[in-house]
Amino acid sequence: QQQVKQSPQSLIVQKGGISIINCAYENTAFDYFPWYQQFPGKGPALLIAIRPDVSEKKEGRFTISFNKSAKQFSLHIMDSQPGDSATYFCAASPKGNQFYFGTGTSLTVIP
Amino acid sequence: DVKVTQSSRYLVKRTGEKVFLECVQDMDHENMFWYRQDPGLGLRLIYFSYDVKMKEKGDIPEGYSVSREKKERFSLILESASTNQTSMYLCASSPSTFQETQYFGPGTRLLVL
Repeated sequence: QQQVKQSPQSLIVQKGGISIINCAYENTAFDYFPWYQQFPGKGPALLIAIRPDVSEKKEGRFTISFNKSAKQFSLHIMDSQPGDSATYFCAASPKGNQFYFGTGTSLTVIP
Repeated sequence: DVKVTQSSRYLVKRTGEKVFLECVQDMDHENMFWYRQDPGLGLRLIYFSYDVKMKEKGDIPEGYSVSREKKERFSLILESASTNQTSMYLCASSPSTFQETQYFGPGTRLLVL
């Protein structure tokens, strides 16, 4: 059973556009929500993370929006660039416990 | 700079062989993890360790075992490889608490024939 549901599976965006990836969860014990970025041939690397005490976190062109009541969170990539082409994983973790990863979104940014 | 290394990038093994995947981290991290990554399934946790000689089952431990004799090294063992264990295997480490950043190695792509 997938603890974190991620969509879409793949996404194609024009350069300069906004990329949006969505995740949903059911377990209300989750209180840490990171996003990882993976380039081909590399392991995933932390991109940005949020805790549920805030509804939004922004780092450069990357923003996490968090809706605690809906148990949903999303990654927005503003002004998407070809160098952003990668696979993105959302994850969730209850306090002091393992990460549960989503199924991944393959993002392609077309020049 | 943070570094997690995995012993092989690609491995080809026969069904029934015993397979060892090695992972080494140089960050003095307490926690180490083994995941497998499959298309459409994301990353699934096989085993993790929060201390030397300690191990905990993840979500899919069947068919796998692990060993952590030294803090920096975490090994994944496939006792008798099967074709359904063909996958990408990722090792990760994190500092003392579980919700800290996990640092991943580059992965080992295992093909079991």
